[in-house]
Amino acid sequence: DSGVTQTPKHLITATGQRVTLRCSPRSGDLSVYWYQQSLDQGLQFLIQYYNGEERAKGNILERFSAQQFPDLHSELNLSSLELGDSALYFCASGPFRKGNTEAFFGQGTRLTVV
Amino acid sequence: GEDVEQSLFLSVREGDSSVINCTYTDSSSTYLYWYKQEPGAGLQLLTYIFSNMDMKQDQRLTVLLNKKDKHLSLRIADTQTGDSAIYFCAERDNNNDMRFGAGTRLTVKP
Repeated sequence: DSGVTQTPKHLITATGQRVTLRCSPRSGDLSVYWYQQSLDQGLQFLIQYYNGEERAKGNILERFSAQQFPDLHSELNLSSLELGDSALYFCASGPFRKGNTEAFFGQGTRLTVV
Repeated sequence: GEDVEQSLFLSVREGDSSVINCTYTDSSSTYLYWYKQEPGAGLQLLTYIFSNMDMKQDQRLTVLLNKKDKHLSLRIADTQTGDSAIYFCAERDNNNDMRFGAGTRLTVKP
């Protein structure tokens, strides 16, 4: 158990809909990273939050948004869903202190858009 | 922004050595990591190397770091079918931010 919790584990929805994926980071970690994993493109970085603020942005579509709340959990909102958005979405919580702590990943949310 | 790059696919025969390569661009990297993702699971840390080292060995795994060329590799000796997975290279910079490569899918053929 990595200590990072993602819900739901699976989600099936129709095109055009909106969904919210949730991530609770490891206790004490301030950074949350969101990734999208597909078969053809591999793991793609979407966005990073650090202590409630956006810290880095990757290839995140305008239809997607995220936020990190005061209790440090994070939500990824995906709207106007398309078939191509079907993928595994991972959240990772990251190190904030010196020393060799690494990022820990949740088990992912598998999104299927039909 | 800074990038971490690796090939998406690698196929080897059982018993051969596998070498998975990675390049990165951030010269302020402090630690470099290899993660493994088994089918249906999340990513888990496999091994890591501190940026002032050039080699680390852990049983069948050898990590080589060429800091001048910003090149990291993972060698798996005597590759087994159970090693089939996706392997991710990652770097951590001096702000403690981490960046991951897209992952290399290793297929081991009997």
